[in-house]
Amino acid sequence: GEDVEQSLFLSVREGDSSVINCTYTDSSSTYLYWYKQEPGAGLQLLTYIFSNMDMKQDQRLTVLLNKKDKHLSLRIADTQTGDSAIYFCAESTGFQKLVFGTGTRLLVSP
Amino acid sequence: NAGVTQTPKFQVLKTGQSMTLQCAQDMNHEYMSWYRQDPGMGLRLIHYSVGAGITDQGEVPNGYNVSRSTTEDFPLRLLSAAPSQTSVYFCASSYSGSNPINYGYTFGSGTRLTVV
Repeated sequence: GEDVEQSLFLSVREGDSSVINCTYTDSSSTYLYWYKQEPGAGLQLLTYIFSNMDMKQDQRLTVLLNKKDKHLSLRIADTQTGDSAIYFCAESTGFQKLVFGTGTRLLVSP
Repeated sequence: NAGVTQTPKFQVLKTGQSMTLQCAQDMNHEYMSWYRQDPGMGLRLIHYSVGAGITDQGEVPNGYNVSRSTTEDFPLRLLSAAPSQTSVYFCASSYSGSNPINYGYTFGSGTRLTVV
């Protein structure tokens, strides 16, 4: 079945790097996504990676994909207080249907 | 501003009442969907639509109805509200087609529903 798992909470200090991890189960997923949810708001697409890629870098964001282990990670360099939010990974499991993880709450302290 | 608009933002219902959550998008997206967000459970798909006149069930459809008479609107109806439907509801839309890059959903800001 489809299942996407994330740790629930991560706390870092401003300026450190944050690494948010995700495991998924559907080996046929073609794209994997990272979304950010700020308090009281909907989800915002941050970045995505195609399943035939190992890594994708987008400014402060680095996505790593280990397809063999079905493990996805999001690294945020030089984390700022404005990065405090809930981060969701999601996999595409078929025609336009996304399965979301439980979300990781990132808290950045000054 | 272009995007997905959800109304109302907040709602309190009594058990057994019915109501409709509204969702509208002005991006000409074919695909629209409804999710509910509960603590520790991520987002679960309720219903989705791949175009006007076409709807289908998601993971947790019971107690909810949808219709899609136009491309722009995708209302979610609660038939007889129950406390278990207390949640935050999100509407999302995207372009259709076979290219998964189009699956980068645009989300509304959510409706926080409490059923007492």
